[in-house]
Amino acid sequence: AQSVTQLDSQVPVFEEAPVELRCNYSSSVSVYLFWYVQYPNQGLQLLLKYLSGSTLVESINGFEAEFNKSQTSFHLRKPSVHISDTAEYFCAAENTGGFKTIFGAGTRLFVKA
Amino acid sequence: DAGVIQSPRHEVTEMGQEVTLRCKPISGHNSLFWYRQTMMRGLELLIYFNNNVPIDDSGMPEDRFSAKMPNASFSTLKIQPSEPRDSAVYFCASSSSEDSPLHFGNGTRLTVT
Repeated sequence: AQSVTQLDSQVPVFEEAPVELRCNYSSSVSVYLFWYVQYPNQGLQLLLKYLSGSTLVESINGFEAEFNKSQTSFHLRKPSVHISDTAEYFCAAENTGGFKTIFGAGTRLFVKA
Repeated sequence: DAGVIQSPRHEVTEMGQEVTLRCKPISGHNSLFWYRQTMMRGLELLIYFNNNVPIDDSGMPEDRFSAKMPNASFSTLKIQPSEPRDSAVYFCASSSSEDSPLHFGNGTRLTVT
């Protein structure tokens, strides 16, 4: 992957509202796609990943992301957010057959009561 | 599984001093990555190793930075001499294969005064 763009630096949303965090990538070859979450003073943790197969992938805590090859996008969605989802979310891409993972700038999700 | 272990968690040093950051990857993982995170530049890949061999160090900012991986269970990132602009959170991550996600440590927060 040459680049990963996260279109929103901050997304404030009320509790129980739906949310979408946008991600677009640029690559001349096939890629693996990832979403990571970072809580304060911690390292990044994997949220979900797309390697191949079904274009819709889900996490255990209700997030989902859809790989759209034609739009080179991998947007993250959740139908109803919780206060505990407040964190920074990073989209990442890696060329298949390679090891180098490129990260977007991150989107800070702030869930308000 | 203890995860990726980094030390120290915090390091405060004076400009010109040598700084050594340490990382123990997850046992069995054969790839190791050093990232730097700042507000201005986000997550930057500094260098990565595969089977203890440096594969890509194009992200290392200057000759003041060096990294080693003497064996499969230990890596160091050294800055000599350190400068205030090196202040950042430095993350180590490891993975088991090319299509596996990265497992991050909790980072070392470096402050150079």
